[in-house]
Amino acid sequence: SQELEQSPQSLIVQEGKNLTINCTSSKTLYGLYWYKQKYGEGLIFLMMLQKGGEEKSHEKITAKLDEKKQQSSLHITASQPSHAGIYLCGAVPIAGSYQLTFGKGTKLSVIP
Amino acid sequence: ETGVTQTPRHLVMGMTNKKSLKCEQHLGHNAMYWYKQSAKKPLELMFVYNFKEQTENNSVPSRFSPECPNSSHLFLHLHTLQPEDSALYLCASSQRTSGWDEQYFGPGTRLTVT
Repeated sequence: SQELEQSPQSLIVQEGKNLTINCTSSKTLYGLYWYKQKYGEGLIFLMMLQKGGEEKSHEKITAKLDEKKQQSSLHITASQPSHAGIYLCGAVPIAGSYQLTFGKGTKLSVIP
Repeated sequence: ETGVTQTPRHLVMGMTNKKSLKCEQHLGHNAMYWYKQSAKKPLELMFVYNFKEQTENNSVPSRFSPECPNSSHLFLHLHTLQPEDSALYLCASSQRTSGWDEQYFGPGTRLTVT
């Protein structure tokens, strides 16, 4: 079965600083989702990446999928308190499958 | 109301109780999912329904019983639960059961089994 390793497990940054969260798969990713979760609440869709080398941005958040499609990174520029939460990556294990496999999450705290 | 809603948001139940979790989606989607999120564990898929038909049961104990009367509503019936069943239960929906259709999640029901 596919496993997703997220690093770091938790991160505390000063407001205004940049940060990167990584998601590494044991197998080739056919698709990779990034979600954000406020503590104890539902997941908010951020971005989905499908192609090797693909990069997407939304506001101050940029996600990339490497060429080998086994690693993805989420980069936040000039972090704000509103970015705080748990970031989860979810993988499409085989082409077209709906059974997403999720990482354990990265907890981000942003200090004003 | 828009999106995916779940009720109740919090539930405390004894091991001998019977309760139900409700999920409703207002997005016109055809697929609905139940996930379990336990502390320090990855999100686990429990059940999948596509056009009201159950298409997946990921080895979930029979004390969890799903019901999908139509494409907009999903229930999770609970009976004789164990303390280790305490978790956040999330409902999600998508247009189709395809990995390329993003799943929209509800806020979850925080369940505590005493």
